[in-house]
Amino acid sequence: DTAVSQTPKYLVTQMGNDKSIKCEQNLGHDTMYWYKQDSKKFLKIMFSYNNKELIINETVPNRFSPKSPDKAHLNLHINSLELGDSAVYFCASSQDLGLDNEQFFGPGTRLTVL
Amino acid sequence: GEDVEQSLFLSVREGDSSVINCTYTDSSSTYLYWYKQEPGAGLQLLTYIFSNMDMKQDQRLTVLLNKKDKHLSLRIADTQTGDSAIYFCAGLDRMEYGNKLVFGAGTILRVKS
Repeated sequence: DTAVSQTPKYLVTQMGNDKSIKCEQNLGHDTMYWYKQDSKKFLKIMFSYNNKELIINETVPNRFSPKSPDKAHLNLHINSLELGDSAVYFCASSQDLGLDNEQFFGPGTRLTVL
Repeated sequence: GEDVEQSLFLSVREGDSSVINCTYTDSSSTYLYWYKQEPGAGLQLLTYIFSNMDMKQDQRLTVLLNKKDKHLSLRIADTQTGDSAIYFCAGLDRMEYGNKLVFGAGTILRVKS
């Protein structure tokens, strides 16, 4: 049983296109996150949602729009893709916003913008 | 906010001990974490330490925390080839409406047989 799943695993697209990455967790968690890992493996948080509400937005361009239709899903839509958006995007979830809650990560989506 | 730094690369022989080091800036970080990322995979939480602890041991893993120097280390005893991965140190940055993990750049551990 997959705890945190993401689709697609790989995404190759042209500059200027709009694309979405989906994330689902079956852990019953309240909080979900999106992280971006660049080519140098540097990992940085983009967004966090708690109970479908945006909690953290780390100065991400507004071309990135997360959407949480329910607590189990946090999708990431990206408009007008740029070369610099090429990265691996990880979704994660945790029980809630508590300090001692482990974050469970999905397998990642490798986005390549040509 | 929190800032975390790590050494970038470590190479050891199978059976030796590995020590991965990390420094952080925010002394109010309540928790500090070690994550492992295997090639092509997501992150897996290895262990964490609460800020009021100096050491935590979990099987082959030992975490040492020096709060005075804001230094965190992960020691892997009897390192195996399956331990080859990227290891991320992370601190918890407490914000008004939520908490976020701040990751170091990652240390690539290469285990030679």
